[in-house]
Amino acid sequence: AQSVTQLGSHVSVSEGALVLLRCNYSSSVPPYLFWYVQYPNQGLQLLLKYTSAATLVKGINGFEAEFKKSETSFHLTKPSAHMSDAAEYFCAVSAPDKLIFGTGTRLQVFP
Amino acid sequence: SQTIHQWPATLVQPVGSPLSLECTVEGTSNPNLYWYRQAAGRGLQLLFYSVGIGQISSEVPQNLSASRPQDRQFILSSKKLLLSDSGFYLCACGLFPYEQYFGPGTRLTVT
Repeated sequence: AQSVTQLGSHVSVSEGALVLLRCNYSSSVPPYLFWYVQYPNQGLQLLLKYTSAATLVKGINGFEAEFKKSETSFHLTKPSAHMSDAAEYFCAVSAPDKLIFGTGTRLQVFP
Repeated sequence: SQTIHQWPATLVQPVGSPLSLECTVEGTSNPNLYWYRQAAGRGLQLLFYSVGIGQISSEVPQNLSASRPQDRQFILSSKKLLLSDSGFYLCACGLFPYEQYFGPGTRLTVT
């Protein structure tokens, strides 16, 4: 069965610092992987997706993620954090007819 | 592109009252549809999904039910609400191969 583990329920960074949000997955078949962002009282917005093409995936708002099969990881990074990046981030892996979501990581950005 | 509508945006209901939340989708045909719930401080919980009209899969046994009377309409219902039904309800539309797009959500408070 597919599963996702997000390491760290809370991550805090200073504005301008590197953002690294960790996601490890388990899947018995080649996975599709996704990162979503959720701002307070809003629905989830797709940041980026891996669909077995390039292993380095670029998304919106300057985020990117790298698929590493050997490490079963799909970590999300951004070189320089902005205050507007403060939100909750969810990693997800494909499963038959649905997505399996991680428990989320809340990103705080300090000035 | 697809647009997901949810209403109402907020709802306050007493314990034991019925519930009906509606989700409609524009811009795509025959999508997979999903209902999720986010309880306070918790992650996403998949409640129901549907791969076609009249086809409903339940992920969590509880006092909620779902129906899909039309291709792009998905309804979440309850005959008697419990306090534990409070939360943020999200409808999502799934497109090939797996990515999902989310509506704006309904905030339900059961008093």
